[in-house]
Amino acid sequence: DGGITQSPKYLFRKEGQNVTLSCEQNLNHDAMYWYRQDPGQGLRLIYYSQIVNDFQKGDIAEGYSVSREKKESFPLTVTSAQKNPTAFYLCASMGLGGITDTQYFGPGTRLTVL
Amino acid sequence: AQSVTQLDSHVSVSEGTPVLLRCNYSSSYSPSLFWYVQHPNKGLQLLLKYTSAATLVKGINGFEAEFKKSETSFHLTKPSAHMSDAAEYFCVVTPTGFQKLVFGTGTRLLVSP
Repeated sequence: DGGITQSPKYLFRKEGQNVTLSCEQNLNHDAMYWYRQDPGQGLRLIYYSQIVNDFQKGDIAEGYSVSREKKESFPLTVTSAQKNPTAFYLCASMGLGGITDTQYFGPGTRLTVL
Repeated sequence: AQSVTQLDSHVSVSEGTPVLLRCNYSSSYSPSLFWYVQHPNKGLQLLLKYTSAATLVKGINGFEAEFKKSETSFHLTKPSAHMSDAAEYFCVVTPTGFQKLVFGTGTRLLVSP
């Protein structure tokens, strides 16, 4: 099956810990994205990457870090510097090169800080 | 700059009645517009998209949307609601050819028997 996988589905973190969320895609897409979703709000962009070994900050990058060592993978680390990390995190990917490109989303990871 | 306003945070309908979810947008460029649906604790699924072809766009599950440039609107409709349509719906805008999406705050659709 082609698609985007995120793991784990649920993640619990103690305050002061760093945690890493996994995102993998087998769609051969160039671009990958991380969003944060809070109740009653739309999605907000954390980081995005259009090519391996390159990425850009989104609107709320503080307290987060990413890497893009492989085309298929775009892990997100939530650091202890993120003051309010409890949220639903969504990864997306998109092929580049056309005006009708569409972002496809993974199933999400729900992070809870204890 | 681009922005999206979803005019209703909640919409309640009865099964079998029409659905209307309203979306207004603002864009400095010729926009691409999308509607996504999200069921509880799931990722987002694309319903339909407008990219400057036909102004009436048909999507999955019987949904459609009409792009009205004069009104800067992209409302989502369905003739007859089904219980499985209960979910959150997001209107999204991006300048055509760009990759960053701007999301509305969502409309929760409630469907009663």
